[in-house]
Amino acid sequence: GAGVSQSPSNKVTEKGKDVELRCDPISGHTALYWYRQSLGQGLEFLIYFQGNSAPDKSGLPSDRFSAERTGGSVSTLTIQRTQQEDSAVYLCASSIFGRGLAGLANTGELFFGEGSRLTVL
Amino acid sequence: GQNIDQPTEMTATEGAIVQINCTYQTSGFNGLFWYQQHAGEAPTFLSYNVLDGLEEKGRFSSFLSRSKGYSYLLLKELQMKDSASYLCAVRPSGGYQKVTFGTGTKLQVIP
Repeated sequence: GAGVSQSPSNKVTEKGKDVELRCDPISGHTALYWYRQSLGQGLEFLIYFQGNSAPDKSGLPSDRFSAERTGGSVSTLTIQRTQQEDSAVYLCASSIFGRGLAGLANTGELFFGEGSRLTVL
Repeated sequence: GQNIDQPTEMTATEGAIVQINCTYQTSGFNGLFWYQQHAGEAPTFLSYNVLDGLEEKGRFSSFLSRSKGYSYLLLKELQMKDSASYLCAVRPSGGYQKVTFGTGTKLQVIP
């Protein structure tokens, strides 16, 4: 697609349930990021993928959080046994860094999806 | 690790100029981004600096001093639609691409 696509856009769940959030990055973007943003707060880094591997998982808040990326494309963020403090907007972003197909360096800016708003009751 | 500081809130008058500062401490540096985020929306890219100096793009300019770990975003001829949060983000050096964001500066433009 033309941009980063995330689903669902809104998810309301009960405490203790598992949720899965999906991110479809811009085609050809090798890097994929997950951030969490609580109401009125900044972006909290969760995890970063380069291709299918995740060099840095240090931002995942607990072992209830996991993420995977397959085929260098779609990524899913899974939250098990959700808690009320997990309520937030989960933002996905993708980027390409280095020399593109045209041989021109680029900024490697992150392109964000619209986010998945998770509410845990 | 990375530590990024920005003022929490600022208020400025329509038509005026405002400067939003960002200071950072990183173990390596390979670029600084500024993003704009309107309430309830995703962040959108404004500017990128990797070398010292000023980058101008229309009403928005961004400055970087690597030796001082300092950047600012300058907004000229403020418009009401510029009311938003402005996020500073830093990318480390090397092949490691983790991008860390500051907590953002909420700018309110008043008539």
